[in-house]
Amino acid sequence: KAGVTQTPRYLIKTRGQQVTLSCSPISGHRSVSWYQQTPGQGLQFLFEYFSETQRNKGNFPGRFSGRQFSNSRSEMNVSTLELGDSALYLCASSHQPGTGGDEQYFGPGTRLTVT
Amino acid sequence: LAKTTQPISMDSYEGQEVNITCSHNNIATNDYITWYQQFPSQGPRFIIQGYKTKVTNEVASLFIPADRKSSTLSLPRVSLSDTAVYYCLVGAGRDSSYKLIFGSGTRLLVRP
Repeated sequence: KAGVTQTPRYLIKTRGQQVTLSCSPISGHRSVSWYQQTPGQGLQFLFEYFSETQRNKGNFPGRFSGRQFSNSRSEMNVSTLELGDSALYLCASSHQPGTGGDEQYFGPGTRLTVT
Repeated sequence: LAKTTQPISMDSYEGQEVNITCSHNNIATNDYITWYQQFPSQGPRFIIQGYKTKVTNEVASLFIPADRKSSTLSLPRVSLSDTAVYYCLVGAGRDSSYKLIFGSGTRLLVRP
C-alpha cells in the first residue's frame, strides 16, 4: 500500500509570508503527527491529530497550527515566517495516537527554506 | 522537563555488534519505546518497538530494564549500510502535558 506522502517536497518562502504543508497518511491510519527537524534542535514534536482532533501540541508558538480532515489528511500552517523556521517538516501516521504499541510511518518530509 | 538522552556518535566495524542506549526518565506509564533509523534526506524508518524486557525482530533487539528509564538498541553484525542516525522515541508527561519526545540521535558510522 502507498506510504505517507507529503507535498510539496521543497518550498522557498520569504520572511513574513505564510505556508501550508500537506500530509496524506497511509490508508486506514487515523493519527497524524508533525515534527520539525533542524540540525541544531533535532526532531521536535509539533502536534498530533487523531480523528480530526488535536490531541497534543509541542512547545511551538501559535504561528504554528494544523488541522486534520475527515479523510485523515492533515495540513500544517506556519504564519509570519521567520528565518528560524527553515527546517525539514516531517509527518508521520499510525493507527493509534501516541506510542501505545503502534508503529509510526514517516513521510519523506517537506524542506522549507525561509529567506 | 521530559528529555531523552543518547550518545552523539558511535563508530564500529563491519560484523560487530553495536549497542546504543537512550535514557528517558519521564516516560509515560503506558507508552512504548520506539527506535528509528534515518538516512540523509529521508524520513525516519521504524526499527523496533517495545514496552518492557526484551524484544527481537529480524534486524535488531531492544532491551528495556524494569524501571523503563532507559532502553538499549542492539544491532547484531552491522554492515556499511547501517551507517545512519538512530533515534529513540518515547511519550512523556500526562494529560495536557503529554508529548512525543525524540532523542537527539546517535550518528553511527560503520567502517570496513
